[in-house]
Amino acid sequence: GENVEQHPSTLSVQEGDSAVIKCTYSDSASNYFPWYKQELGKRPQLIIDIRSNVGEKKDQRIAVTLNKTAKHFSLHITETQPEDSAVYFCAANNFGNEKLTFGTGTRLTIIP
Amino acid sequence: SQTIHQWPATLVQPVGSPLSLECTVEGTSNPNLYWYRQAAGRGLQLLFYSVGIGQISSEVPQNLSASRPQDRQFILSSKKLLLSDSGFYLCAWSRVAEQFFGPGTRLTVL
Repeated sequence: GENVEQHPSTLSVQEGDSAVIKCTYSDSASNYFPWYKQELGKRPQLIIDIRSNVGEKKDQRIAVTLNKTAKHFSLHITETQPEDSAVYFCAANNFGNEKLTFGTGTRLTIIP
Repeated sequence: SQTIHQWPATLVQPVGSPLSLECTVEGTSNPNLYWYRQAAGRGLQLLFYSVGIGQISSEVPQNLSASRPQDRQFILSSKKLLLSDSGFYLCAWSRVAEQFFGPGTRLTVL
């Protein structure tokens, strides 16, 4: 089955700087890679996703890059703000599988 | 648009008591449905998923069970709760690949 590793487990970034979270996956058949943001006490929210037919996707201050050859994908947050503080989870799947495989999460803290 | 509901929002139960958590989805038909548990400060553990009425796949052997009596209803149950069952229980539904989570039930077993 699929295995997703996520790094780092914790990350502190000065407000205004950029943050990068990296994930690797094991199943070369995976073709869908979402990212979730979970604020304290709340549900995980889908913030961006990428499919294997593209290498990069951007939505305002967040972007995701995918390297299928190396089997890794990354979340980039630019111009970080205090409201970006949360736990972020990556995940991987292929469309023929009902289950998402999640990474273990990254706790991002933005330092004012 | 699609909406997912869970209740109750919070629950405090004694060890050995039964459990029933309910999840319903509106605005879609024949969704895949999932139950996850999240221990405090930890990741998402998939407990059960269902691709249709009466079809349940179990991911982790434990004292919990799940049922899907209707297309958009998913129930998580236990006959006797353990202390280790405490956590944040999240229901989710998926359409093709995107998965969306419900608001969760915070369960404390004392």
